[in-house]
Amino acid sequence: EAQVTQNPRYLITVTGKKLTVTCSQNMNHEYMSWYRQDPGLGLRQIYYSMNVEVTDKGDVPEGYKVSRKEKRNFPLILESPSPNQTSLYFCASSLYSNEKLFFGSGTQLSVL
Amino acid sequence: DQQVKQNSPSLSVQEGRISILNCDYTNSMFDYFLWYKKYPAEGPTFLISISSIKDKNEDGRFTVFLNKSAKHLSLHIVPSQPGDSAVYFCAASDYNDMRFGAGTRLTVKP
Repeated sequence: EAQVTQNPRYLITVTGKKLTVTCSQNMNHEYMSWYRQDPGLGLRQIYYSMNVEVTDKGDVPEGYKVSRKEKRNFPLILESPSPNQTSLYFCASSLYSNEKLFFGSGTQLSVL
Repeated sequence: DQQVKQNSPSLSVQEGRISILNCDYTNSMFDYFLWYKKYPAEGPTFLISISSIKDKNEDGRFTVFLNKSAKHLSLHIVPSQPGDSAVYFCAASDYNDMRFGAGTRLTVKP
């Protein structure tokens, strides 16, 4: 089944404790992206990747890191999480950058 | 700077009637527009799209209209069904960038 898998679904952590949210797609898509969803703000892009080893900042990259060492994986790393990073996070992929996106099920992150 | 705006946070309609969801954008470089639907505890899923060379695209009960001069698009759902109750995100794209609106929560009452 074609899908984008992100883990974990729920995560509660404390300020400053490094964490990684994993994302994997099995559709051989070139393009992958991370979004955060906040009330009244919709989906805001954090980072995106047009291809392996190519990553770029989106609208809200501060406090986040990503890597794209393999085509299928695009982990989101929070080196030192802060409470303002409490949000619902979505990973997405598409064949190319301006095509319809396939989203993962989301990761609800709470930073205390 | 919100380049894509959905000014109605919520919409409630009766089953069988038409639902009209609206979206405005500011960037004239956007050339591809999409609607996504999101149920609770799930990721958004693609619903329908339209390119800037068209002004209308239909898929079953769903029709998207694009007015380029007004930088406005709308999604029509006819007839609306209770299963359509969800949050709908409008998105606009140029080659490098896809921007999303804040979403409209549609409730279809039986």
